[in-house]
Amino acid sequence: EAQVTQNPRYLITVTGKKLTVTCSQNMNHEYMSWYRQDPGLGLRQIYYSMNVEVTDKGDVPEGYKVSRKEKRNFPLILESPSPNQTSLYFCASSLLPRIRDGYTFGSGTRLTVV
Amino acid sequence: ILNVEQSPQSLHVQEGDSTNFTCSFPSSNFYALHWYRWETAKSPEALFVMTLNGDEKKKGRISATLNTKEGYSYLYIKGSQPEDSATYLCASHSGGGADGLTFGKGTHLIIQP
Repeated sequence: EAQVTQNPRYLITVTGKKLTVTCSQNMNHEYMSWYRQDPGLGLRQIYYSMNVEVTDKGDVPEGYKVSRKEKRNFPLILESPSPNQTSLYFCASSLLPRIRDGYTFGSGTRLTVV
Repeated sequence: ILNVEQSPQSLHVQEGDSTNFTCSFPSSNFYALHWYRWETAKSPEALFVMTLNGDEKKKGRISATLNTKEGYSYLYIKGSQPEDSATYLCASHSGGGADGLTFGKGTHLIIQP
């Protein structure tokens, strides 16, 4: 089944403790992206990647890192999480960035930083 | 950063009634407009991707129209059913770089039996 797999689904952590949210897709998509969803706001892009070893900042990159060492994986790294990073996170992928078929989203990761 | 607006924010509709809601987006440098359906505790799923002015797309009881000159799109649901309850997101791509979609805040639709 074609899908984007995110892990974990839920995570509660403490301020300052490094964490990684994994994202993997099995569709050979070139483009991958991370979004966060906060109440009263639309999905906001954190980082995106055009292909292996090609990443760039989205609209809200502060406090996050990403890597794209393999085409299928695009982990989101929070080196020192803070409470303002409590949010619902989505990974998405598509064949190309401006695809006409829509993005495929992962199931989301609800992160709470205390 | 693009500004994508959706209205209304939320909507209660009786089962069987038809409804529609709006997405407005900057018309300059337009490339594509996406609609997604997002059910609670699930991930957003693509409904339509529209690129041409005047385009109309349909999937079952749901359809969408696009006006790129004035920068708006309508989503229509005919004969609403309880399973249509969801948040409907629209998102716009502009021309230029490879950055991603800019999303609106969504319209939260509740179908009342």
